[in-house]
Amino acid sequence: EVQLVESGGGLVQPGGSLRLSCEASGFTFSSYEMNWVRQAPGKGLEWVSYISSSASVIYYADSMKGRFTISRDNAKNSLYLQMNSLRADDTAVYYCARATTYYVFDYWGQGTLVTVSS
Amino acid sequence: SYELTQPPSASVSPGQTASITCSGAKLGDKFACWYQQKPGQSPVLVIYQDSKRPSGIPERFSGSNSGNTATLTISGTQAMDEADYYCQAWDRSTVVFGGGTKLTVL
Repeated sequence: EVQLVESGGGLVQPGGSLRLSCEASGFTFSSYEMNWVRQAPGKGLEWVSYISSSASVIYYADSMKGRFTISRDNAKNSLYLQMNSLRADDTAVYYCARATTYYVFDYWGQGTLVTVSS
Repeated sequence: SYELTQPPSASVSPGQTASITCSGAKLGDKFACWYQQKPGQSPVLVIYQDSKRPSGIPERFSGSNSGNTATLTISGTQAMDEADYYCQAWDRSTVVFGGGTKLTVL
């Protein structure tokens, strides 16, 4: 069974940093592209970042460029999102999602809540 | 930047057909997919590559994509289909989601 379990969310002050993790199981993690998607409270889905299976290709949404860094450790079956210079509008549930052909997200984690507030 | 537009809400009576549209420039030239999200839950893929259903998704869910519009159709809608639905496409190294449509089954 495919499982994606996010962790690392919490309360952080504006300007602070946080590192999210996503532990994968039930599939060959190193063979799949991965993504982070977020959802602000009561709002829609917003794509954050993409990383290829070997980490050779990385993309970010424009509003995250320069502040967020996606990475992965295939030996640990884990995906990461380092978030710096956090702002109040970064408050959201952050999901990791497995991607298949044509950037289809076929499995999602349960999400981890990040709250940016003083 | 590329945008996908969905109506904020839609309603349908049980047993009837619900159609939810997603509009974007030349969307028919791209692959569209659809996600269902119920309150407090993670999104679930219901349609990919315009019209394919993942394993486990009921046959009443179908999709199409042509011109500037992709459409999710739910035939014989059931109360359990009440949820938010999001379209998604890929454009120039960017994944784009529509704003979402809240489907109410009255």
